[in-house]
Amino acid sequence: AQRVTQPEKLLSVFKGAPVELKCNYSYSGSPELFWYVQYSRQRLQLLLRHISRESIKGFTADLNKGETSFHLKKPFAQEEDSAMYYCALARDGQNFVFGPGTRLSVLP
Amino acid sequence: GAGVSQSPSNKVTEKGKDVELRCDPISGHTALYWYRQSLGQGLEFLIYFQGNSAPDKSGLPSDRFSAERTGGSVSTLTIQRTQQEDSAVYLCASSLGRLNSPLHFGNGTRLTVT
Repeated sequence: AQRVTQPEKLLSVFKGAPVELKCNYSYSGSPELFWYVQYSRQRLQLLLRHISRESIKGFTADLNKGETSFHLKKPFAQEEDSAMYYCALARDGQNFVFGPGTRLSVLP
Repeated sequence: GAGVSQSPSNKVTEKGKDVELRCDPISGHTALYWYRQSLGQGLEFLIYFQGNSAPDKSGLPSDRFSAERTGGSVSTLTIQRTQQEDSAVYLCASSLGRLNSPLHFGNGTRLTVT
């Protein structure tokens, strides 16, 4: 079965500290992975996708097929990064399954 | 252009009543998705449409839930004989329906069953 796990429900870091939000997946096919973010009182939106190999708002994520992981990282967290983060797997490229989410709280 | 639009934004209903939730996807988006977001439960997949057909209905929690999409555009999610455990935010998303096309979400409908 395809699933996405995010082991941390809540992650708190201080401003300026590095942050890593963990994501692991299980999928028999070739995975397409995404990170979505939901800021307070805003709609859920795409943050980045692995196929683009991009850095958005200082965040990066590397797909590690050996460890079946797609952890989200940022070297220096900012208060405005506080939000709910969801890792998602696109099954067959179109049908998305989401992890349970991690709430990131960046403390001043 | 306009984003994904959902209505109503809030719905309070009595247990046992039927409700209809509406989603207007972004124009030209062929794929449409319904998810349920409950407190502390993350995003639960309900159903996915490609055009007017639903290749995957596996997430619908019971036969009280149904969804349809007409004209490859608007979709309605219907919950019959609502129960208190149906209370959640129902999110709709659309995409171009191509490989790796990202999802664009609406603001959701907050359903409260009293």
